[in-house]
Amino acid sequence: SSELTQDPAVSVALGQTVTITCRGDTLRSNYASWFQQKPGQAPLLVMYSRNDRPSGIPHRFSGSTSGNTASLTITGAQAGDEADYYCNSRDRSGTHYVFGTGTKLTVL
Amino acid sequence: QVHLQESGPGLVRPSETLSLTCTVSGDSITTSHWNWIRQPPGKGLEWIGYIHDSGRINYNPSLKSRLTMSLDTSKNHLSLRLTSVTAADTAVYYCARDPGDLPGDYLRLDFWGQGTLVTVSS
Repeated sequence: SSELTQDPAVSVALGQTVTITCRGDTLRSNYASWFQQKPGQAPLLVMYSRNDRPSGIPHRFSGSTSGNTASLTITGAQAGDEADYYCNSRDRSGTHYVFGTGTKLTVL
Repeated sequence: QVHLQESGPGLVRPSETLSLTCTVSGDSITTSHWNWIRQPPGKGLEWIGYIHDSGRINYNPSLKSRLTMSLDTSKNHLSLRLTSVTAADTAVYYCARDPGDLPGDYLRLDFWGQGTLVTVSS
């Protein structure tokens, strides 16, 4: 099982705000990155470090971290945000990397 | 624009070796960390490992005994070899770039290939 735990599924009403969380002891000393994956597509980097967005990622995506939890918040969710989301960070050893278990986001 | 393209057999027999290539355009493989990630059908992402032209290599410990990654700078591509495969190795395999000079807290995988499905079956 992954050392980074995510809620399997989250839903949000169109235009509302949703937070996707990633929990793991390694996050107490490491930041995370976040990837969005739509069906049949490769993952897309949407957030990294404390709260850095790659070029082209909308400002409605933001990130934060507190204690053992990293969070990805989408403010004003759009239908196009419906996807699987994965966090990534160091593993417990601090030497390797691990992905979170993934969260399926549904926009209602 | 950086482009990555995976290639290799779509079907591998159990106990044999899985070999994949990732051809990179728009960037030199002598920079950046080059990663492999896989995703079994209907499941989540699994980091396989990365390689850097400096000689820095980092493998997922669960795969390390069966895994070899390499770079061919003359062809600007990277390769993955996974020996003694079983049905559990059936997955879509992706290559991806992390542009960092040094390994960080997380993988900043900014460009990905489209992925290639490898099925392990007799």
